[in-house]
Amino acid sequence: DIQMTQSPSSLSASVGDRVTITCRASQSISIYLNWYQQKPGKAPNFLIYAASSLQSGVPSRFSGSGSGTDFTLTISSLQPEDFATYYCQQSYSTPWTFGQGTKVEIK
Amino acid sequence: EVQLVESGGGLVKPGGSLRLSCAASGLTFSNAWMSWVRQAPGKGLEWVGRIKSKTDGGTRDYAAPVKGRFTISRDDSKNTLYLQMNSLKTEDTAVYYCTTEVVGVTVNWFDPWGQGTLVTVSS
Repeated sequence: DIQMTQSPSSLSASVGDRVTITCRASQSISIYLNWYQQKPGKAPNFLIYAASSLQSGVPSRFSGSGSGTDFTLTISSLQPEDFATYYCQQSYSTPWTFGQGTKVEIK
Repeated sequence: EVQLVESGGGLVKPGGSLRLSCAASGLTFSNAWMSWVRQAPGKGLEWVGRIKSKTDGGTRDYAAPVKGRFTISRDDSKNTLYLQMNSLKTEDTAVYYCTTEVVGVTVNWFDPWGQGTLVTVSS
C-alpha cells in the first residue's frame, strides 16, 4: 500500500497568512494526488485534483503543486473560513490512501 | 445537485452485523462508481472500498482491514448503495461516508460526499 505522510500535523496561523502544507508519498505517484478540506462535524470537501487542478468553485487562493513523491497545498492568504483540517489522497493505486491530516488553527 | 444520504448507523455489539444504505439523487447512479470512506472518532480518513458501475464491470475492491467481513453492493433501480458489515470489531467504530468516485481523465477523486452515519461497535 502507498503511505501518505503530511506535515505538519497542525499549524497556527493568522488571517492573511500564507500557509503551506506538505504531503509525501511512500513511492512515486506521478500527479495522482488530490486534496480535501474538512471542517468539524462535516463531510470532507473536494478541493484539488491531479496535484494542481482546482475544482470548480474553489477559491483561487488555494493552489497545489508537485509530482512524484512530494506535493504541497498552499493557501495564499488565509481566510476565516479556511480554518479546517486538510487531507491529501493518492489515486495512483488501490487501496486509495489518505494522509493523516493537517489541522489549520487560528493563532 | 448531487445528494448522497447515508442511513443505518447505530450501536452494535462486537461480532454483530449492520447494513448501511446511501440514497443518491441528482446523478445517473447506474453510471457512478461509488466508495465508502470511514473516519474513526478524532482520526483521519480511511477508504473502505468501492464498487464500479455495472457497465465498467461492477468490480468491488476493499481495504485489507475489512476484506472478507464487509460487502459493498448497489441497487441501481433504487439509486442506492449498501455496505453490509459483518463480524464487527470495536475498531470499526467510525463515521461512514458514502462518496462518488469521479473517474477523471488522469486521476479519480471523491466528490461529493454524504453527511455520514455513525457506527459504534461496543459491548
